[in-house]
Amino acid sequence: GNSVTQMEGPVTLSEEAFLTINCTYTATGYPSLFWYVQYPGEGLQLLLKATKADDKGSNKGFEATYRKETTSFHLEKGSVQVSDSAVYFCALSSNYGGATNKLIFGTGTLLAVQP
Amino acid sequence: NAGVTQTPKFQVLKTGQSMTLQCAQDMNHEYMSWYRQDPGMGLRLIHYSVGAGITDQGEVPNGYNVSRSTTEDFPLRLLSAAPSQTSVYFCASSSLGRPNSPLHFGNGTRLTVT
Repeated sequence: GNSVTQMEGPVTLSEEAFLTINCTYTATGYPSLFWYVQYPGEGLQLLLKATKADDKGSNKGFEATYRKETTSFHLEKGSVQVSDSAVYFCALSSNYGGATNKLIFGTGTLLAVQP
Repeated sequence: NAGVTQTPKFQVLKTGQSMTLQCAQDMNHEYMSWYRQDPGMGLRLIHYSVGAGITDQGEVPNGYNVSRSTTEDFPLRLLSAAPSQTSVYFCASSSLGRPNSPLHFGNGTRLTVT
């Protein structure tokens, strides 16, 4: 079945460091891919998405490219800030049953940015 | 600008007790869903609904019931709580009108079953 695998955390970086959080997926058909972010004590928020191969999603300095050949959607940011400290979830849409809103999530990666 | 509202924020139950987690959204979203979040397991879909009067099971439905009598509300019922249901529960909604509409999440309910 469909699944998402993302790197385990925590990832600890110094401010202004480069960030990569790896995400790979297994899916039939042509899923859409998402990154969600969860700040402490809050629900998840959509960070960015890509709906077809080679699409690049970007938001707030974060970006991820939908790579069908490697079934990957790695999250990157050139210079992280303390305010980026959060849990990041990779997810894919599951089109079974015709409801594309059903998302399958990875286990989440905690990012801690130190000043 | 309420979005998705979940109540209560925290709840402690004894094994065998029942309770209802409330979820309401004011965005006129057709799709609503419940997830549970457990350490090392990410979010897992419990139940979902694509409109009033329509519900279906997700990945981990056992021990939970749902109903959707209005577009706005989607309560989750635990009929006989078990320690395995200790978790953080999130309600999420989205529009079905646009493909890949983002899910809007509530702030969660932290449930402990002793």
